[in-house]
Amino acid sequence: GDSVTQMEGPVTLSEEAFLTINCTYTATGYPSLFWYVQYPGEGLQLLLKATKADDKGSNKGFEATYRKETTSFHLEKGSVQVSDSAVYFCALSTASSGTYKYIFGTGTRLKVLA
Amino acid sequence: GAVVSQHPSRVICKSGTSVKIECRSLDFQATTMFWYRQFPKQSLMLMATSNEGSKATYEQGVEKDKFLINHASLTLSTLTVTSAHPEDSSFYICSARTGTSGEQYFGPGTRLTVT
Repeated sequence: GDSVTQMEGPVTLSEEAFLTINCTYTATGYPSLFWYVQYPGEGLQLLLKATKADDKGSNKGFEATYRKETTSFHLEKGSVQVSDSAVYFCALSTASSGTYKYIFGTGTRLKVLA
Repeated sequence: GAVVSQHPSRVICKSGTSVKIECRSLDFQATTMFWYRQFPKQSLMLMATSNEGSKATYEQGVEKDKFLINHASLTLSTLTVTSAHPEDSSFYICSARTGTSGEQYFGPGTRLTVT
């Protein structure tokens, strides 16, 4: 079945360091791909998305490119800030029995130190 | 735009009682709403999908008689946890979507604690 695999955390970085969080997927057809961020005690906020191969999603300095050949959607940021500390979820949306459901990865906790 | 609210944000109830959680789309009509459960430091687990005016579709392993879902209008869905037990304590998150394949918009979540 369809699935999303994320790198395990926690990831601890110093402020201004480069961030990569790996995400790979397995899906039939052509899923849409998303990155969501969750701050402590809150719901999920959409960070960025890509709906077809080679699309690049970007927001708030974060980027991810939909790579069909490697079935990947890695999240990157050139210079992280303490305020980026949160849990990041990779997700795909795929038709399943006629309903487009989200399938989430396990989440990667990021901690940025000042 | 595309704001989803949940109420309450936190609730504590005694074992054996029922609790209702509301999910509202504030500025759009949601043809489909989803209910998720999240355990501490874990990912979201889809519980059920509900379409306005029809019965919810539950994921495998989710007790439909325990988790009652009603999607009575295009802006409101409710989740009722019946005869709650401590193991039902969790973070419940709803999401809403317009159309058949659009993006889901998530609510802020409800923290349920059963004592």
